[in-house]
Amino acid sequence: GAVVSQHPSWVICKSGTSVKIECRSLDFQATTMFWYRQFPKQSLMLMATSNEGSKATYEQGVEKDKFLINHASLTLSTLTVTSAHPEDSSFYICSARVLAGGPVEQYFGPGTRLTVT
Amino acid sequence: EDQVTQSPEALRLQEGESSSLNCSYTVSGLRGLFWYRQDPGKGPEFLFTLYSAGEEKEKERLKATLTKKESFLHITAPKPEDSATYLCAVQASGGSNYKLTFGKGTLLTVNP
Repeated sequence: GAVVSQHPSWVICKSGTSVKIECRSLDFQATTMFWYRQFPKQSLMLMATSNEGSKATYEQGVEKDKFLINHASLTLSTLTVTSAHPEDSSFYICSARVLAGGPVEQYFGPGTRLTVT
Repeated sequence: EDQVTQSPEALRLQEGESSSLNCSYTVSGLRGLFWYRQDPGKGPEFLFTLYSAGEEKEKERLKATLTKKESFLHITAPKPEDSATYLCAVQASGGSNYKLTFGKGTLLTVNP
C-alpha cells in the first residue's frame, strides 16, 4: 500500500519551454501533497505544499509563478516548471500524505529527473 | 527553525559489521521523526516513524531509537543490499503543517 507514482521519470527540455510533472497516489487518497527538489549529493528541499482544492503554499525563496502547482483531486497533483532554464535542472520528487486523521508519514514518488538544455 | 544534522556523512562497513547512524535534531515540538532510505536516482523509501523519547522500532536488520535530542539507526550484520543513503527528517507539532525537514543523509556502503 501507499504507492506514489510520478510521470515522467525523466525529461529533457529546451531553455524557455515549460514542463509538467504529474504525481499520483495510486492506492490511497492524499489530503496533502508535497513537492521537493534535490540537487546532486544534497538532501531534499521542500518547495511547496499543496492541499486538494486550494492554493499551494510555497517555501521562502521558491517562485510561485515559475513553479505552478495544481492539486486537482485527492490522487493527483501537478508541478509545471514554466520558462525553464538550465539552473532548474534537478531531481524533483513528490510525496503524499494520507487523509487527515491517518498516519503522518509521507510516501514519496520515484522522482523526475529534469534536464534543461 | 527546525534543524536536522546527520552523522557521519559517509560510512563504509564490511558485511556483517554492525554500526549506528546518528540524527540530531532541534524542533519546537516534535510530531514525529522519520527515517527513510534512498537509493541513487530513486525517491526515499519510508522505514520508520518515531513519536516520543524512548520509542524503538525494528525492521529486519534495522532498529531505530529516539531520545529528546537525537535518534539512532542501528544496523546489525549489514549486507551489501543495505547500501544506500539513509535520511532522517522531523515534523513539528501544532497546526496543520505536516512538512518534513530533512538532514543531509548518511551514505552507507557495505562491502562484501
